[in-house]
Amino acid sequence: NAGVTQTPKFQVLKTGQSMTLQCAQDMNHNSMYWYRQDPGMGLRLIYYSASEGTTDKGEVPNGYNVSRLNKREFSLRLESAAPSQTSVYFCASSEALRITDTQYFGPGTRLTVL
Amino acid sequence: AQKITQTQPGMFVQEKEAVTLDCTYDTSDQSYGLFWYKQPSSGEMIFLIYQGSYDEQNATEGRYSLNFQKARKSANLVISASQLGDSAMYFCAMRPMDFGNEKLTFGTGTRLTIIP
Repeated sequence: NAGVTQTPKFQVLKTGQSMTLQCAQDMNHNSMYWYRQDPGMGLRLIYYSASEGTTDKGEVPNGYNVSRLNKREFSLRLESAAPSQTSVYFCASSEALRITDTQYFGPGTRLTVL
Repeated sequence: AQKITQTQPGMFVQEKEAVTLDCTYDTSDQSYGLFWYKQPSSGEMIFLIYQGSYDEQNATEGRYSLNFQKARKSANLVISASQLGDSAMYFCAMRPMDFGNEKLTFGTGTRLTIIP
């Protein structure tokens, strides 16, 4: 099993450009999540999806949109990138059948907005 | 709201010694879960150990154990017999024990360096 995969691994954008970060999991997990990690800070939740067709805002949703395309895939879209969105983005998934189910993370996407 | 505090930005420990990474938390929830993750220089987040707020025993996973003191709201990670491969960032996190509320709150992390 590949676990959680993310594409691309690295991306450089200019201010105002748009892009979509892709995430897929092959563990048949119900819930998926998008986090961002900034220097000196822990991970902060952007959006999550408890099941196909549902999404909820996390701590820092402004400037982002998400799509839960199917059970496997959860994408994060930046419509008009800003330098403040320079960060490392992590996708995660969880079976979420039990309260104790943990989240498993992808390798991350390092995004720079110039 | 939940808050995690990790007060040690960096630690240096001699190989084979035990190390304790501090984590204190604040929450108004009665039931919650506490997690520790490791982030090596390669960047991925690796789950290490979990402790539920109502668990009577401290959690253990191999060389990792969690020193859970509920009254003090602390959940320190103990790594026994440290190895060079333990050098990494370590994050403490928590979430409410509610179905439908899956938001993990992370601390700012501790960078652990193991010295040969």
